[in-house]
Amino acid sequence: AQSVTQPDIHITVSEGASLELRCNYSYGATPYLFWYVQSPGQGLQLLLKYFSGDTLVQGIKGFEAEFKRSQSSFNLRKPSVHWSDAAEYFCAVRVNAGNMLTFGGGTRLMVKP
Amino acid sequence: ETGVTQSPTHLIKTRGQQVTLRCSSQSGHNTVSWYQQALGQGPQFIFQYYREEENGRGNFPPRFSGLQFPNYSSELNVNALELDDSALYLCASSLEPRGAYNEQFFGPGTRLTVL
Repeated sequence: AQSVTQPDIHITVSEGASLELRCNYSYGATPYLFWYVQSPGQGLQLLLKYFSGDTLVQGIKGFEAEFKRSQSSFNLRKPSVHWSDAAEYFCAVRVNAGNMLTFGGGTRLMVKP
Repeated sequence: ETGVTQSPTHLIKTRGQQVTLRCSSQSGHNTVSWYQQALGQGPQFIFQYYREEENGRGNFPPRFSGLQFPNYSSELNVNALELDDSALYLCASSLEPRGAYNEQFFGPGTRLTVL
């Protein structure tokens, strides 16, 4: 069965600093990959997704992610963090055209002024 | 276009009781998936409904059951509540159950507390 690991439970960065959130997956082939953001009391919002093609994917709110097959990773990045980016971030995989998303444990991002 | 809505927002129940959570899918979506998100964890897939039939299930016991109605809205029912059922329950709707570009749109969730 596929699994997703987000090694960092909490990350704190200063406003304006760059950000990288790590995600590793375990699956025999290339799954469909997603990053979601969840603000307190809110549902999940899709930031970006990767299915195939260019391994650098652009998303909303200035986020991007890079798929690295050799490392089974799909790390999320942002060049300059804003205070409003403070939230919980989830990496997820979907196998082929299946109907189930498998989520990582999440990374809570805090932004220092 | 109306997004995914869920009711109620919060709910408190006691052990052994039964609960029903409701979800209205986004306009035009015929597929609803339910997820359980325990505190401090990522969401876990419970099951999916497509055209009123269960269309895939995660590792949850049979006391978790669901329904989908002709208008594609859905209910999640949990019988014999246990303390560990305390969680945020998320509903997601999508245009179709499968497919490479099938995106799931999530509602705000229902926070269930079991005492």
